[in-house]
Amino acid sequence: DAGVIQSPRHEVTEMGQEVTLRCKPISGHNSLFWYRQTMMRGLELLIYFNNNVPIDDSGMPEDRFSAKMPNASFSTLKIQPSEPRDSAVYFCASRVSGANVLTFGAGSRLTVL
Amino acid sequence: AQTVTQSQPEMSVQEAETVTLSCTYDTSENNYYLFWYKQPPSRQMILVIRQEAYKQQNATENRFSVNFQKAAKSFSLKISDSQLGDTAMYFCAFTYTGNQFYFGTGTSLTVIP
Repeated sequence: DAGVIQSPRHEVTEMGQEVTLRCKPISGHNSLFWYRQTMMRGLELLIYFNNNVPIDDSGMPEDRFSAKMPNASFSTLKIQPSEPRDSAVYFCASRVSGANVLTFGAGSRLTVL
Repeated sequence: AQTVTQSQPEMSVQEAETVTLSCTYDTSENNYYLFWYKQPPSRQMILVIRQEAYKQQNATENRFSVNFQKAAKSFSLKISDSQLGDTAMYFCAFTYTGNQFYFGTGTSLTVIP
């Protein structure tokens, strides 16, 4: 298995631009999580899905952030419009139902100028 | 409130020596799972070891072992025969729901040749 796959690995954009981060969970994993990591706040859960359904999005910072999971093998995290304070590493993680362990992707480092 | 505290922001150890990273947590739950994740400079979050709270026996994975003290809510990680590749940030985490994972702020470990 290739693990959790995230793209892009790095993204540099200008303030006001739309950013889309992508994630492919491990096949058979039915829960998917989006985290944001910054020096100031550490790892923050943004949103998670069970069986493609968003369960808890209370961690999404504001309406500029949205996440979708149209099928079991793909999820996106979109920021529109982006701001410099959104600069962070965004991780996607997945787990299989009943297994209380997360498998993380390699992360997407976002820099908003 | 569920919290995880890692009181050692930075640590160093000589190659081949043993080092222990501390972690304490706070929860009113009785059944939960504890983890140590490693984040090397490549920034991939890698599971090092996990412990089920209902198990009294401390988990061991090769050179990595834990000292789990449930009453004290302590979960330390011991790395034996430290190797240069162990240089990384180490995060302590726990979950009782399998959906909300609580992470510490991390300990930066440097293995000195």
